Amino acid sequence: EAGVTQFPSHSVIEKGQTVTLRCDPISGHDNLYWYRRVMGKEIKFLLHFVKESKQDESGMPNNRFLAERTGGTYSTLKVQPAELEDSGVYFCASSRKLTGAGHTDTQYFGPGTRLTVL
Amino acid sequence: AQSVTQPDIHITVSEGASLELRCNYSYGATPYLFWYVQSPGQGLQLLLKYFSGDTLVQGIKGFEAEFKRSQSSFNLRKPSVHWSDAAEYFCAVGDSNFGNEKLTFGTGTRLTIIP
Repeated sequence: EAGVTQFPSHSVIEKGQTVTLRCDPISGHDNLYWYRRVMGKEIKFLLHFVKESKQDESGMPNNRFLAERTGGTYSTLKVQPAELEDSGVYFCASSRKLTGAGHTDTQYFGPGTRLTVL
Repeated sequence: AQSVTQPDIHITVSEGASLELRCNYSYGATPYLFWYVQSPGQGLQLLLKYFSGDTLVQGIKGFEAEFKRSQSSFNLRKPSVHWSDAAEYFCAVGDSNFGNEKLTFGTGTRLTIIP
């Protein structure tokens, strides 16, 4: 079974440019998450998809960030325009569909995309 | 709001020595607790998790963790470390009210192994 994949592994852009990060979850996983780690700080939640629907986007920093998951498969995270403070490692994770209240399932993480904004 | 504290930013241990990484959490109900490890160039890999039941949890690679409600702690242990254990370790808490929801992570502990 292939794991969570992310592309690109590293992106270097200038302030004001646009960048799109892609995440391919494990096949059949309905839940998809985006997290971000700014250097030296904790990994922070950005948003959660259940299939193609945004379940929770409370962690999105501002409206320069746009996440999509068309068809409930892969997801993209676009930053437009990028600012210096957007630099960090962006992680994607996926997990299976739950079958009852109070249950949780392991989130499987990708290797991350390191974004550097100059 | 839930939070996780990993008080040790960097730990150095000798190969073959025992290891304990500290994790304290803040959460109003019974938490879901996790330890993840990130090796260089790799994604986060789950070491172990606690949902309920036995408070001593066994994980992969010889790791274990103990949930202590009275101390709000979930420390990770290994009796004898190997050079391949050099990595960054993250403790995380999940919201048990909603099941499979967002994780809140600590800032991580970087582990260095010396010969």
